[in-house]
Amino acid sequence: EAGVTQFPSHSVIEKGQTVTLRCDPISGHDNLYWYRRVMGKEIKFLLHFVKESKQDESGMPNNRFLAERTGGTYSTLKVQPAELEDSGVYFCASSQIHGSSNEQFFGPGTRLTVL
Amino acid sequence: QQLNQSPQSMFIQEGEDVSMNCTSSSIFNTWLWYKQDPGEGPVLLVTVVTGGEVKKLKRLTFQFGDARKDSSLHITAAQPGDTGLYLCAGASYYGGSQGNLIFGKGTKLSVKP
Repeated sequence: EAGVTQFPSHSVIEKGQTVTLRCDPISGHDNLYWYRRVMGKEIKFLLHFVKESKQDESGMPNNRFLAERTGGTYSTLKVQPAELEDSGVYFCASSQIHGSSNEQFFGPGTRLTVL
Repeated sequence: QQLNQSPQSMFIQEGEDVSMNCTSSSIFNTWLWYKQDPGEGPVLLVTVVTGGEVKKLKRLTFQFGDARKDSSLHITAAQPGDTGLYLCAGASYYGGSQGNLIFGKGTKLSVKP
């Protein structure tokens, strides 16, 4: 069974540009999460989808970040316009809809550098 | 909510035992431990859901505190392959919905051959 995949693995952009990150969850996982780690800090939650609906987007930094999950399959996270402080590693995770253990499986991450 | 992991880093020789801890001022329903290698995503090691629970995974022993506010990881006879960043995470539930994870900053373990 394929794990969570993310694309691209690295992205280097200039301040003011737009970047779109993609996440493909494990097949059959209805929960999809986005997290981010900036240098020197812990991994922090951004938002949570259940199928195509946003369950919790309390961690989104500001309105320059837009996440979508059309059709309840893969998800995209767009940053527009990117700022220097957006640099970091963006992780996607997925889990099954049922179960009490909340076991989330992570992708390899996308390392975003904003110059 | 915040998780505090200690120590921040550890350098040991192959064959030594090592312990690391994770504490919180909040109660979590579930604690999870992940291991992350450079350039890769966190890999789930174990999930503990019951206060006082102890789980063993080969040379790794995980414990969940009785009050659900702390968890520990003990590695017996560490191997170079155990080198990596160990992350603890706590999770809670809201109305039956699986919530997000709260992470600690991690303990960086280096095991020398």
